[in-house]
Amino acid sequence: SQQGEEDPQALSIQEGENATMNCSYKTSINNLQWYRQNSGRGLVHLILIRSNEREKHSGRLRVTLDTSKKSSSLLITASRAADTASYFCATTNTGGFKTIFGAGTRLFVKA
Amino acid sequence: DTGVSQNPRHKITKRGQNVTFRCDPISEHNRLYWYRQTLGQGPEFLTYFQNEAQLEKSRLLSDRFSAERPKGSFSTLEIQRTEQGDSAMYLCASSLVTGFGNTIYFGEGSWLTVV
Repeated sequence: SQQGEEDPQALSIQEGENATMNCSYKTSINNLQWYRQNSGRGLVHLILIRSNEREKHSGRLRVTLDTSKKSSSLLITASRAADTASYFCATTNTGGFKTIFGAGTRLFVKA
Repeated sequence: DTGVSQNPRHKITKRGQNVTFRCDPISEHNRLYWYRQTLGQGPEFLTYFQNEAQLEKSRLLSDRFSAERPKGSFSTLEIQRTEQGDSAMYLCASSLVTGFGNTIYFGEGSWLTVV
């Protein structure tokens, strides 16, 4: 079964707007990662945030982690049509053995 | 950086046939994973190896599925007596486990269609 659940399931925005996706999980984690997947392709790693970190930035991406609420968010600023993809959060348990993915948020950025 | 390589990329097979997928991980990575993904869903964990040892198998991995990683290098995933429900994309991934996190790098996947 999936560990993480993304919200919303789908998101449609205009180019230039910000996109925010949320992820909730159930058990204690070692780290949380966000991935992007273009249709029919493999997953591309975007960012990893450790359980003792609260916020991380990478280019136009900003990830927050709230372990007390067991939730994370991914913010993409100034979105582009090329950001159109599915975005998944993935959690690695405290044993560090297994990484489990959510069902993803499908982002569509209109040019 | 050659990345994770999977082949074949696409396989169409008749129900009841056996299929095998191969994965070549990033060379210095010690951990290798197999996931399965169906349309509109996230990847579902199947199994993983630490070097050549298979350390965990999901309940999704029925007796018809077997994975190997001889000598801790490439890995194969074999599905015997395929069923239509096996149609999915099979993703291989690898990582270098350190004390600082576990970034997983995925291949492009192998699409299986069982007709």
